[in-house]
Amino acid sequence: DQQVKQNSPSLSVQEGRISILNCDYTNSMFDYFLWYKKYPAEGPTFLISISSIKDKNEDGRFTVFLNKSAKHLSLHIVPSQPGDSAVYFCAASASGAGSYQLTFGKGTKLSVIP
Amino acid sequence: NAGVTQTPKFRVLKTGQSMTLLCAQDMNHEYMYWYRQDPGMGLRLIHYSVGEGTTAKGEVPDGYNVSRLKKQNFLLGLESAAPSQTSVYFCASRIGVRTTGELFFGEGSRLTVL
Repeated sequence: DQQVKQNSPSLSVQEGRISILNCDYTNSMFDYFLWYKKYPAEGPTFLISISSIKDKNEDGRFTVFLNKSAKHLSLHIVPSQPGDSAVYFCAASASGAGSYQLTFGKGTKLSVIP
Repeated sequence: NAGVTQTPKFRVLKTGQSMTLLCAQDMNHEYMYWYRQDPGMGLRLIHYSVGEGTTAKGEVPDGYNVSRLKKQNFLLGLESAAPSQTSVYFCASRIGVRTTGELFFGEGSRLTVL
């Protein structure tokens, strides 16, 4: 049973426009969410995170929105740049004793077209 | 500061052969993880460790063994490699004190089993 779902395997966006990547989760115990970016032949790198006590977190061109009632989060990239072309993974974790793991989605491949 | 280093970067094995992947981190992190990435499957947790001398199973542990004899090293072993273990393997580490700490990934090790 997939607890973190990224239903869009790929997304193409024109340079300068907004990219919106979506993620859904099923485990109500998740209270911390992260986005990672991965280029080919490299390891994933941390991009941005959000705690469940917030509904928005912004870092430059990147904004993550969290809708707890819908168990949905999204990553907005504005404006999109060709260097943003990568695979984006959504991840979630639950705080508290024994919670050592991050659960990842399958990823969304973003292509930003010049 | 090297961060998380994986060796080897590439390896080709024949079915039934054994090998060990080495992960080393220089950030004094408590938690370490081994993931595998396969097309369309995202990142799946194989084994993890929450401290020196401890290991635990993740989502897909079968066919793998791990050891954490030193805090900075986390070894992933394949005793009898199978073609289904052809994958890209990523090691990651996390501070461990804060359960919301991000993961830092290595660059990956590409393993092919013929």
